Amino acid sequence: DSGVTQTPKHLITATGQRVTLRCSPRSGDLSVYWYQQSLDQGLQFLIQYYNGEERAKGNILERFSAQQFPDLHSELNLSSLELGDSALYFCASSVAGPDTQYFGPGTRLTVL
Amino acid sequence: KNQVEQSPQSLIILEGKNCTLQCNYTVSPFSNLRWYKQDTGRGPVSLTIMTFSENTKSNGRYTATLDADTKQSSLHITASQLSDSASYICVVSSSYSSASKIIFGSGTRLSIRP
Repeated sequence: DSGVTQTPKHLITATGQRVTLRCSPRSGDLSVYWYQQSLDQGLQFLIQYYNGEERAKGNILERFSAQQFPDLHSELNLSSLELGDSALYFCASSVAGPDTQYFGPGTRLTVL
Repeated sequence: KNQVEQSPQSLIILEGKNCTLQCNYTVSPFSNLRWYKQDTGRGPVSLTIMTFSENTKSNGRYTATLDADTKQSSLHITASQLSDSASYICVVSSSYSSASKIIFGSGTRLSIRP
């Protein structure tokens, strides 16, 4: 158990819909990272937040957005969902920088 | 262009045998290199992390090496076990402060056969 929690574990929705994925980092970690992993693909870095502020951006679509709240939990919002958005979405946390990231169990999103 | 390339893409070995996975990178400036193990459908778990000045690090049966001059790293697994079947991901970071550039390799899928 990494100490990072993600909810929900599984999510099934339809094209065009909007969903919110939630992540709670390890106690004491200020940075949260979001990743997308499509079937048989590598991890794609989406975005990083540090202490409530956006710190780095990767290959995140405009239809996706994220935020980190004062209690340091983070949410990833996916809108206008497409079939190709079906993937595992991982959240990771670290104390500050990316030196050691601890990954959550992931949320499996299926868009039908 | 910042890249991390891993080889082989996949590997099948018999239980008890050793194997070595490779990682070449062009990320600059270099901050650290990590190897992760990812079981199917699970989140990656960190195995080792090495900075510029470290050239080897062990974690049980896993030993990672780093040659910062040639920008190459390897992960050696000794006396493989069935539970070693997983994807192994090499990740290179270029970090200035808390801002970060994180480049993931596409992973090596390792299968251990009994």
